[in-house]
Amino acid sequence: GESVGLHLPTLSVQEGDNSIINCAYSNSASDYFIWYKQESGKGPQFIIDIRSNMDKRQGQRVTVLLNKTVKHLSLQIAATQPGDSAVYFCAENIWGSYIPTFGRGTSLIVHP
Amino acid sequence: DTEVTQTPKHLVMGMTNKKSLKCEQHMGHRAMYWYKQKAKKPPELMFVYSYEKLSINESVPSRFSPECPNSSLLNLHLHALQPEDSALYLCASSQGQGRDEQYFGPGTRLTVT
Repeated sequence: GESVGLHLPTLSVQEGDNSIINCAYSNSASDYFIWYKQESGKGPQFIIDIRSNMDKRQGQRVTVLLNKTVKHLSLQIAATQPGDSAVYFCAENIWGSYIPTFGRGTSLIVHP
Repeated sequence: DTEVTQTPKHLVMGMTNKKSLKCEQHMGHRAMYWYKQKAKKPPELMFVYSYEKLSINESVPSRFSPECPNSSLLNLHLHALQPEDSALYLCASSQGQGRDEQYFGPGTRLTVT
């Protein structure tokens, strides 16, 4: 069965707001996590990753937080822009595997 | 060049047809992947090639036949497909068989009639 899932299938925000996309995982053997962005008509695009020995990692306008205690992953997007509108997938790698398992996806809609 | 290209962009085929999907990358990546994605669903892994050899087949029906002619090209041969095989077929590549970033192509939108 699917071990990676998302709490909210659709998230609507206003331009300039901060967005938080959540992801729950169930496999405690997962030790590497990735966030992908998929725009309409395109393939998924890597955004940011985090290993299980970290609890936070920052990129440009994005931050990923990992809480291994509750098996929860989140993607924070600062100052959300219309170009951020897309479906966001979290993916996990189980220890020893290099193939990511994708979660369900959240559609982010940014209103100007 | 950090691009993975896929052709055709769209394909409509009957259940008795034979067609092929093509994928190309010139990043020197040695691992290439085929995924299937249904609408509003995450990508599902089908095949992995590593150094031009098939390393993973996720129990995909034999009507899908992958081929890796060289390190830059990946094909997916289709024969006797079913309507439920209609989906977006994504190709991806990564540096090697490790936890390297996967670069995805735009996909081929396949409709089986």
